Amino acid sequence: NAGVTQTPKFRVLKTGQSMTLLCAQDMNHEYMYWYRQDPGMGLRLIHYSVGEGTTAKGEVPDGYNVSRLKKQNFLLGLESAAPSQTSVYFCASRGGTRETGELFFGEGSRLTVL
Amino acid sequence: GQNIDQPTEMTATEGAIVQINCTYQTSGFNGLFWYQQHAGEAPTFLSYNVLDGLEEKGRFSSFLSRSKGYSYLLLKELQMKDSASYLCAVRAYYGNNRLAFGKGNQVVVIP
Repeated sequence: NAGVTQTPKFRVLKTGQSMTLLCAQDMNHEYMYWYRQDPGMGLRLIHYSVGEGTTAKGEVPDGYNVSRLKKQNFLLGLESAAPSQTSVYFCASRGGTRETGELFFGEGSRLTVL
Repeated sequence: GQNIDQPTEMTATEGAIVQINCTYQTSGFNGLFWYQQHAGEAPTFLSYNVLDGLEEKGRFSSFLSRSKGYSYLLLKELQMKDSASYLCAVRAYYGNNRLAFGKGNQVVVIP
C-alpha cells in the first residue's frame, strides 16, 4: 500500500522557471493538503482541497496554484519560481469527519530555486 | 487564527522521561494532534486528543486541557530512536477542519 506519493523528490530550478509537484494518494481520501516546511517556521499550509474539483487557499498561497481534477491527485504549481520558494514541500491527505482525521504525509519534495 | 507555541529544543538521557509542552489559542477547537518527525523524513502521527485528559499509547502519552489551551506529550523510557522533532497541531471547526502546526520541539536523546 503506497499511501501518499510525491514526485519529484528533488528539483533545482532557476528563478522564473515553472514546475508542478504531483501528489497521489491511494486511500480514497477526500481531503488533501500542500504544506511547506522551512527551518524555524514549522509546517505552513499553502493550499488544500476538500474533494475532487475543489481547492482553497491556506496561510501562504501567493505564488502557487493547485488543481484537483481527480480525487486521488493534487497538483501544486509554481508559475514563476522565486528563491523565497526554496523549501521542502509536503503533501498530506486525510479521510472524512467520521475518522480521527490524522494526516498521512508524503515523503516530501525538496525544491531549490537559484 | 490559531497561535501555537512550543519550546524549541531539549536534551534528555536514554531511559529517562521527557515532557513536551504545547500551548495554543484558537476559536472553534476541534482536536489536538502530536506528530513525530525524524530529520529528513515526513511527519508521522503519534496521538490525538479532543476531550480533556490523558491518552496513553505504549511509551507515549498525551494530555489535553481545553480550558487552559494546553497539551503535553510524555515520552517514557527514552530510546535513541526517539531523537526527533515533535510537532503539535491544532484543528479548528472553521476552515474545513484544517490543521495548524506549531514550530516543533527538537528532542535530542543522549546515551
